Amino acid sequence: KAGVTQTPRYLIKTRGQQVTLSCSPISGHRSVSWYQQTPGQGLQFLFEYFSETQRNKGNFPGRFSGRQFSNSRSEMNVSTLELGDSALYLCASRSTGAETQYFGPGTRLLVL
Amino acid sequence: AQSVTQLDSHVSVSEGTPVLLRCNYSSSYSPSLFWYVQHPNKGLQLLLKYTSAATLVKGINGFEAEFKKSETSFHLTKPSAHMSDAAEYFCVVSDRDSNTGKLIFGQGTTLQVKP
Repeated sequence: KAGVTQTPRYLIKTRGQQVTLSCSPISGHRSVSWYQQTPGQGLQFLFEYFSETQRNKGNFPGRFSGRQFSNSRSEMNVSTLELGDSALYLCASRSTGAETQYFGPGTRLLVL
Repeated sequence: AQSVTQLDSHVSVSEGTPVLLRCNYSSSYSPSLFWYVQHPNKGLQLLLKYTSAATLVKGINGFEAEFKKSETSFHLTKPSAHMSDAAEYFCVVSDRDSNTGKLIFGQGTTLQVKP
C-alpha cells in the first residue's frame, strides 16, 4: 500500500497570506490527523477528521482550519499567516478503531 | 490528563554500543504507548507500540521497549547502535481522554552515534 502523501513538500509565503496544505491518507484509512512541529513547541495536535467530520481540535486559533472529503483526503488551511506559523506540518492517518497512526513526510512552511 | 516525559534531550553513543532512551508516562488509564523516529527532513516512522499485551515490545531495526507500570516507564533500547540510528526519537501516548486519535508527544531525544 502507498503511504500517506502530503503536498506540497515545501512552501514559502509572506505574512498575511493564506495557505492550503493537502494530505492523502493510506488507502482504506478514514481518519486523518494534523500536527504542527516547531523547534520551540515540539509536536502539537491540530485536529482530527473522520468521515468528513472534525472530531477533535487542538489549542490553535481559528486561523487554522481543515476539512475532509468523501474520499478521506484532507486539507488544512491557515489564513492571515504569521511568522510563528513557520513549521513542519505533518499529517497522519489511521484505520477505524486503531490507535496507531502513520505519518506522511510533512509540508515545511516558511513564512517571511 | 495524559503526558509523556523524555528524560534526555540528547544522547550520544559510540557505534556498536547499547542505546537507552528514557521515557516516563502519566496516564489515568492503561496507556497505549509508541516510539516514533524522525530522520532529518523526514516524517515520523513508527518503531514500536505497546497496547497492553506483552510488556516487552519488539520493534523494527532491532529496537525494543519495556513497559513497566510500577515505574511508569517505557524506555527504548537497542543492543548495538548503528550510524543510521542517528535521528530524533519521540515517546508518544494516545490521548484516551479525548476518545479520538489525538497523540501526545514527548519533547524528543536526539540520538547521536559516533564512529
